[in-house]
Amino acid sequence: SQQGEEDPQALSIQEGENATMNCSYKTSINNLQWYRQNSGRGLVHLILIRSNEREKHSGRLRVTLDTSKKSSSLLITASRAADTASYFCATDAQGTYKYIFGTGTRLKVLA
Amino acid sequence: GAGVSQSPRYKVTKRGQDVALRCDPISGHVSLYWYRQALGQGPEFLTYFNYEAQQDKSGLPNDRFSAERPEGSISTLTIQRTEQRDSAMYRCASSLGQRGQPQHFGDGTRLSIL
Repeated sequence: SQQGEEDPQALSIQEGENATMNCSYKTSINNLQWYRQNSGRGLVHLILIRSNEREKHSGRLRVTLDTSKKSSSLLITASRAADTASYFCATDAQGTYKYIFGTGTRLKVLA
Repeated sequence: GAGVSQSPRYKVTKRGQDVALRCDPISGHVSLYWYRQALGQGPEFLTYFNYEAQQDKSGLPNDRFSAERPEGSISTLTIQRTEQRDSAMYRCASSLGQRGQPQHFGDGTRLSIL
């Protein structure tokens, strides 16, 4: 079963706008990762945030982590048409090596 | 450098046949993961290797599924006596270390059971 749940399930925005997607999970974790998947292709790693970190930036990406609420958010600023993809969060529960992926947010950026 | 390579890209086989899916990870990557991904869903964990040791196989659906990584590099996921419900995209990923490392995914093997 999936541990992570992303919302919204789908998001459609205009180019230049910001996109925010959220991830919730169920158990204590070591770290949380965000991945992007273009249609039919493999997943591409975007950013990793450790359980003792609260915020991380990478280019136009900003990730926050709230371990008390067991949630994370991914913000993409100044979106581009090329950002159109599905975005997944993945968590590794403490004491395990396996990663559990969420259900994904399908982002569409309109030019 | 070369990424994670999976073969075949597509496999169509009749129900009841055995299939073997291959994953060639990035050179030097210690950790290797197998996932199954249904259309419109996130990857579902199947099994994890650290070098040649299979440290977690809790995601394998039943005993028809097995995996090995005998020399700590290439891995094979085998499905015996395939059933239609096994049809899915099977993805492999590798990473440098055990924890807190990005996973690099291959393009997957699309398995179709007729």
